[in-house]
Amino acid sequence: DADVTQTPRNRITKTGKRIMLECSQTKGHDRMYWYRQDPGLGLRLIYYSFDVKDINKGEISDGYSVSRQAQAKFSLSLESAIPNQTALYFCATSDSQGVNQPQHFGDGTRLSIL
Amino acid sequence: QKEVEQDPGPLSVPEGAIVSLNCTYSNSAFQYFMWYRQYSRKGPELLMYTYSSGNKEDGRFTAQVDKSSKYISLFIRDSQPSDSATYLCAMSLFSGSARQLTFGSGTQLTVLP
Repeated sequence: DADVTQTPRNRITKTGKRIMLECSQTKGHDRMYWYRQDPGLGLRLIYYSFDVKDINKGEISDGYSVSRQAQAKFSLSLESAIPNQTALYFCATSDSQGVNQPQHFGDGTRLSIL
Repeated sequence: QKEVEQDPGPLSVPEGAIVSLNCTYSNSAFQYFMWYRQYSRKGPELLMYTYSSGNKEDGRFTAQVDKSSKYISLFIRDSQPSDSATYLCAMSLFSGSARQLTFGSGTQLTVLP
């Protein structure tokens, strides 16, 4: 299922570098989300966007920024990467129409910061 | 204390066994309860969601919610090796149109053939 596509799938970089993770979707959903997943901590919300002009901070937004370039594209940036940002990052989408619409996840980006 | 606590596992069972996965939560305002399945190197996929207390069945899977005890469970009957994955519980508040999810940390399940 490639409806939610994340690039790159894997990235290794050094402390202090600027990194951008990209997410694109073909599901036509208006809502998009960025999460990080760490062992023992589950998924935690970084930022979310309910439409192109709407950006909201999640539980752990410090050190991250996002850009919603179009309805289908939502990117996550680490301005100056640090080792404790090493994690698995997931993009998700959902539809605002209807009740109890679930979130659909991409396959993740594994990010390692040395 | 985390808002959502989940048995970390790992859990290993023989094929055909009944599996019980559980989460407890502290925020009585949670209204919606979900179970996601995550295969290795893949994103989570929604397995089941419920709104009210009680049981909801879908094939071999049954989701149970007990709001009075703040406890949810996922039962898998006749477990198969293809059920081997990490199972994440998730919950959300009813807050306007927001559907922000709070996840448990996941239980890793292995079903042995």
